[in-house]
Order: sequence, then structure tokens, then C-alpha cells
Amino acid sequence: DAGITQSPRHKVTETGTPVTLRCHQTENHRYMYWYRQDPGHGLRLIHYSYGVKDTDKGEVSDGYSVSRSKTEDFLLTLESATSSQTSVYFCAISEGVPGELFFGEGSRLTVL
Amino acid sequence: QQQVKQSPQSLIVQKGGISIINCAYENTAFDYFPWYQQFPGKGPALLIAIRPDVSEKKEGRFTISFNKSAKQFSLHIMDSQPGDSATYFCAARGSSGSARQLTFGSGTQLTVLP
Repeated sequence: DAGITQSPRHKVTETGTPVTLRCHQTENHRYMYWYRQDPGHGLRLIHYSYGVKDTDKGEVSDGYSVSRSKTEDFLLTLESATSSQTSVYFCAISEGVPGELFFGEGSRLTVL
Repeated sequence: QQQVKQSPQSLIVQKGGISIINCAYENTAFDYFPWYQQFPGKGPALLIAIRPDVSEKKEGRFTISFNKSAKQFSLHIMDSQPGDSATYFCAARGSSGSARQLTFGSGTQLTVLP
């Protein structure tokens, strides 16, 4: 299995609170991604990174920000969580332009 | 917005039967079409992929059929087994710039009955 660790794996929070999800990789892959998975919508790209401090928006980036200060870490932040952000969040990595994505095991976030 | 439409949403097949999942796309600039398999509680994993210059790709019991003119592609699982029960996602990759990311279909939950 690709060395991808997501934390926390489960989190329950209240509307309006900030939340940060962490993705850590040991593969030294250039590209890192955050997706959210919701029933009926499949996997939707939130943000991605193509290098340290190089990030770009995906399809559903509103309400989310990301940071990548080291090759191995990609953080997803919800500045003020809303109930619509209740979802399962997946981090993925790829060596080059996707390509094969390697996914983490997901972080389940519930916003009450 | 690039879209990939996947059907059916759920599929129940008897052991030994053929499972067929279909996807359709609109953007003719897509240049890579993978299928991902996801088991409960796990992240998706690449199952098989095809490029548009090929009409069919087979790996074991799994086959992708690709129809470029119809802008459709499908996954066929031959001799389906209970262990194949999972959610399957088709995807497509754009061919330039920031579009070179995967757009996923909505997923098909496959159940193979013993």
C-alpha cells in the first residue's frame, strides 16, 4: 500500500468551528489531492498541489483552503465548518500528471 | 464543467454472471479513462485504465470497452465473484493545463450474490 496517512480518521464538530485535516505521505510524490466523497456525487476534487507551496483549486473549492509547506504534508482547512461540509474526505497522491492516484483511507467529518 | 455520467447507481448480480457498468462523457479532450474500485471503509484503488486510441483492454476478468464516437466506455466483470462486491467509479482526465485532473463518475455499488 502507498504510504498515505490521513488524520484524524473521524471527527465530529459544530457549525462555525475551524477544522484541519492532515495528509502525510512517505512516497515523495509530487502531486497531492483532496477529494470529498458524497452519495450520488462520486469523488469531487477540492484542491490539489503540484509542489511545495504550489496549489490550485478543484471543482468544489469554496469554503476550503489548503497548504503544503513540505513535500510530505498537505493540509485541508475548513475555516468555518458548515453542515454541507459533512462528508468523507480522501487524500490522494500521484507521481506525475494523473495517472494512477493512490488514495488514503479517508477522514469522515460530521458537522452538526 | 466537465462531467462523467455513470450508470447504474447500483447493480446486483449472481455469482458467475457478468457485471456491466457504463459511463458517458462530453469533453472530447479527455485522454485517459481509469476505473477505480472501492471497498467499504477504504480508499479507491485503480483497477484498470484505457486510452482513447484503444477500443478494448482486458486484465483478467475485467475488461474496458471504449467507444470514442459515442463518447462512452464501460467496465465488464466476467464470472463475477462475491469478492468483487464494491463500489466502482469511472473517471476521465482532461488533456491540458489545470484540466489534467481526474473527473469521477458518481459510482456504482455492485453486489454479487453467492
